[in-house]
Amino acid sequence: SAVISQKPSRDICQRGTSLTIQCQVDSQVTMMFWYRQQPGQSLTLIATANQGSEATYESGFVIDKFPISRPNLTFSTLTVSNMSPEDSSIYLCSFLEFGGYTFGSGTRLTVV
Amino acid sequence: GDSVTQMEGPVTLSEEAFLTINCTYTATGYPSLFWYVQYPGEGLQLLLKATKADDKGSNKGFEATYRKETTSFHLEKGSVQVSDSAVYFCALSDRKDSSYKLIFGSGTRLLVRP
Repeated sequence: SAVISQKPSRDICQRGTSLTIQCQVDSQVTMMFWYRQQPGQSLTLIATANQGSEATYESGFVIDKFPISRPNLTFSTLTVSNMSPEDSSIYLCSFLEFGGYTFGSGTRLTVV
Repeated sequence: GDSVTQMEGPVTLSEEAFLTINCTYTATGYPSLFWYVQYPGEGLQLLLKATKADDKGSNKGFEATYRKETTSFHLEKGSVQVSDSAVYFCALSDRKDSSYKLIFGSGTRLLVRP
């Protein structure tokens, strides 16, 4: 099965700045997803990213805050913009293949 | 909308005890069901899955059976180990309206004591 690499694994950022998280898959995948896991909480889907089209955002998430790129079938980025302490979470990318979902190792973001 | 409900944790067991973590779901279609595990400080790993009614998923001694009549997918293990201490997430994917998103339950923390 395909392998997904996510980076950075963690970061501490100043409020008001932006952070871009990258996910690389070692084979082509059609659907990629970005999730947020707030401290002690479950995972919430931010958006679905398909190559060649704009990302589809879930209720409560907007493109200006979480812009996503999907330039090809092996790569995607999520940017967390104008960060505040409330954005401190783990962000995970995921892709779908053969009926199962594989997750990256996550980016642990702390905003100070 | 679709949803997943898990039993609240933490669940604390002694080593070699029997484990059950309850999971029920609500879906309008015919979802696929999953259990994911998150070890401390790590990402999510697929533990097992089932794609249709009466399917049994199994892995590493864990089992779960897709019960359509009770809309449940309870996770079981006959004898837990300290290394099983983690957070367990039940999830579904309904794949309706061309949406393939995964909907998660709230997670159940398992602590196994020696």
